[in-house]
Amino acid sequence: GNSVTQMEGPVTLSEEAFLTINCTYTATGYPSLFWYVQYPGEGLQLLLKATKADDKGSNKGFEATYRKETTSFHLEKGSVQVSDSAVYFCALIMDSNYQLIWGAGTKLIIKP
Amino acid sequence: GAGVSQSPSNKVTEKGKDVELRCDPISGHTALYWYRQSLGQGLEFLIYFQGNSAPDKSGLPSDRFSAERTGGSVSTLTIQRTQQEDSAVYLCASSLVHSSGGLYEQFFGPGTRLTVL
Repeated sequence: GNSVTQMEGPVTLSEEAFLTINCTYTATGYPSLFWYVQYPGEGLQLLLKATKADDKGSNKGFEATYRKETTSFHLEKGSVQVSDSAVYFCALIMDSNYQLIWGAGTKLIIKP
Repeated sequence: GAGVSQSPSNKVTEKGKDVELRCDPISGHTALYWYRQSLGQGLEFLIYFQGNSAPDKSGLPSDRFSAERTGGSVSTLTIQRTQQEDSAVYLCASSLVHSSGGLYEQFFGPGTRLTVL
């Protein structure tokens, strides 16, 4: 079946460090891929998305590129801030379906 | 309101009691979803409503769980005879639907944290 695997957290970095959160997927077909973020005490928000291979989603300094050859959608940011501390979820959806399939989430802690 | 709202934000109940969780989707969104987020785990799909179509209940974990959506808007998730393993955050989301059947982005509510003692 379709699934999403994320790197386990928590990931702890210092402010201005480079961030990578790995996400790989298994899908029978060509999914759309998403990163959602959940800030402390808030609901899930869509951070970025990509709907086909080689697409790059970007938002708030975060980027992720849809890599079909490695079935990956790693999240990156060049210089993190304390305000980026949150839980990040990778997810996919198949065109023929409506269920988002989620990774387990990665907690990111940024220290000043 | 502008976003998806859920109530209550927190619910503590005793094992064996019934609970009702409410979701108000964004106005005009015809698709509504319920998810469960257990501690340290990702989101688990529970149920999906789309317009007047029969809901997809394939994610409901047991027959103690049921949901309805009245008038194509507000939805209620009911858990009967709650068990401790039902403790989780229950999230509701809504979205628009393409005329072709494809989906737009899902917008999430803040969730209801359910604790079963």
